[in-house]
Amino acid sequence: AQSVTQLDSQVPVFEEAPVELRCNYSSSVSVYLFWYVQYPNQGLQLLLKYLSGSTLVKGINGFEAEFNKSQTSFHLRKPSVHISDTAEYFCAVRGFQKLVFGTGTRLLVSP
Amino acid sequence: EADIYQTPRYLVIGTGKKITLECSQTMGHDKMYWYQQDPGMELHLIHYSYGVNSTEKGDLSSESTVSRIRTEHFPLTLESARPSHTSQYLCASSELRDRIQETQYFGPGTRLLVL
Repeated sequence: AQSVTQLDSQVPVFEEAPVELRCNYSSSVSVYLFWYVQYPNQGLQLLLKYLSGSTLVKGINGFEAEFNKSQTSFHLRKPSVHISDTAEYFCAVRGFQKLVFGTGTRLLVSP
Repeated sequence: EADIYQTPRYLVIGTGKKITLECSQTMGHDKMYWYQQDPGMELHLIHYSYGVNSTEKGDLSSESTVSRIRTEHFPLTLESARPSHTSQYLCASSELRDRIQETQYFGPGTRLLVL
């Protein structure tokens, strides 16, 4: 069965600092991975996805993620965060007929 | 930007009341989903649908029911609300033919409080 683990429940950073949000997956079949973002009082929005090909995936708002098969990871990164990046970030893997989500990581960006 | 809507956005209701959470999408998507979201927990799939007259239960056992009479509409009903139903409910949709990419578009959610 597919699953994802987000190791950090909360990540505090200062504005303009780099950030990495960690995600490890478990899958017995072909791996399709996603990162979603949820801003306060909103639904989830797709940031980026890995289906195949290049292991470095670029998404919206300057985010990127790297698929690492040997470490079964799909960490999300941004070189310089803004206050507006404060949100909950969810990693997900495609399971059978559905997406399997992690527990989320709250990114807190302060001035 | 996704065209998927949920009403109400917030609902406070007493125990035993019947409630229906509305979800509509204007993208013509065949697949629709209902998730339950609690703080610090993963999203739990409670219902999904492949199209009109198709409904399936998800992973998380739920006392709610759903219907899919029209492609664009996927309401969720609780016949008798209880405090344990207090949660945020998220509706989503995706294209049926998009089996691999599975890009799901989410509504803003309904935050339910049962007293």
